[in-house]
Amino acid sequence: DVKVTQSSRYLVKRTGEKVFLECVQDMDHENMFWYRQDPGLGLRLIYFSYDVKMKEKGDIPEGYSVSREKKERFSLILESASTNQTSMYLCASSLGQTTNEKLFFGSGTQLSVL
Amino acid sequence: AQSVTQLGSHVSVSEGALVLLRCNYSSSVPPYLFWYVQYPNQGLQLLLKYTSAATLVKGINGFEAEFKKSETSFHLTKPSAHMSDAAEYFCAVSEGQAGTALIFGKGTTLSVSS
Repeated sequence: DVKVTQSSRYLVKRTGEKVFLECVQDMDHENMFWYRQDPGLGLRLIYFSYDVKMKEKGDIPEGYSVSREKKERFSLILESASTNQTSMYLCASSLGQTTNEKLFFGSGTQLSVL
Repeated sequence: AQSVTQLGSHVSVSEGALVLLRCNYSSSVPPYLFWYVQYPNQGLQLLLKYTSAATLVKGINGFEAEFKKSETSFHLTKPSAHMSDAAEYFCAVSEGQAGTALIFGKGTTLSVSS
């Protein structure tokens, strides 16, 4: 089965720090996504990528950037972490170029910014 | 722009009772529709998806959903709830085109009592 691995399950950072969240998938998927999950707000799309070096803004890209240098890895970067970025971050991938494909999710990274 | 509305952030049922989780969508093109489930401390996994082949879609664990274009709805049902169904459920919509992403609703938490 497809495995989507997020590098950390829990992360604690200080305000102003630069934070990297890493995501790796092992099934040669074209699409990769970063969502954040907050109670009562569901999943909100931050960024996604449908090819190496390609990226698209989602609904809430402010304060974030991404990097996809290799097909299997998609990194989310918080340039200067703030307390309102405390959240659960979920990475996902899907096989094809279109979005009628099943998403495979990682287990999530719970980020706390103090 | 596409969007999803899940009616009811929390639904409580007794074991053996009917489960009904409501989802309404908005899309400018024929949509692809999905239900995902998230068990505590886990990532999301696909329950079922509608891709225009049949309006009644059967998924895993006895769940099914019916696409009703006239009502722009895709409600999730299960005839008889089990304790193990307690989880958070997310409805999602996609336009299925390259360069787009899945948009999720805010989620509905299902509680099952004995």
